[in-house]
Amino acid sequence: AQSVSQHNHHVILSEAASLELGCNYSYGGTVNLFWYVQYPGQHLQLLLKYFSGDPLVKGIKGFEAEFIKSKFSFNLRKPSVQWSDTAEYFCAVNETSGTYKYIFGTGTRLKVLA
Amino acid sequence: GAVVSQHPSRVICKSGTSVKIECRSLDFQATTMFWYRQFPKQSLMLMATSNEGSKATYEQGVEKDKFLINHASLTLSTLTVTSAHPEDSSFYICSARDYEGTGELFFGEGSRLTVL
Repeated sequence: AQSVSQHNHHVILSEAASLELGCNYSYGGTVNLFWYVQYPGQHLQLLLKYFSGDPLVKGIKGFEAEFIKSKFSFNLRKPSVQWSDTAEYFCAVNETSGTYKYIFGTGTRLKVLA
Repeated sequence: GAVVSQHPSRVICKSGTSVKIECRSLDFQATTMFWYRQFPKQSLMLMATSNEGSKATYEQGVEKDKFLINHASLTLSTLTVTSAHPEDSSFYICSARDYEGTGELFFGEGSRLTVL
């Protein structure tokens, strides 16, 4: 069955530290990949997405992610985090055929200390 | 971006009653909507895929008779929690895929259900 794994459940960083959140998926077919963010008290918002092409994708607020097909990974990175990046981050995979459903990882709660 | 609206945002009901949650795509047509359930400090669990004009597709372990989904139009899907019990208390989130645009998934604000 299709699944998405996020290895870091809680991450605490100081401002200006670099961030990398891991995401691995298991699915044999072609997928689209997403990172969503949920700020405290708000609904989910799209950070970035990968459909095809350049495996290094850039999103909003300085975030980027790299799709490594051989590793089934789509890790999220940011060179220098800010206090306002405190949020929960979800990796998601969308099948490009069949049911087209989206499956989410368990989420990573990031806290950035000022 | 596209807007998905959910209503109500909060609802409290007595055990044994039914509650209906609406999900509307405001500025695009959504042939498919997804209903998720989010437990505290956990990820989103896909409950069902709602298809306009046809029966919803439920994920394994989700009771279709308890969680009734209706997708009567291209802009509206409803989730009805029937005979609610305290264990049904949760945060329910709908989302819709913008097929005409980027294929991005847009989320509603969520509905927090509390069953007393």
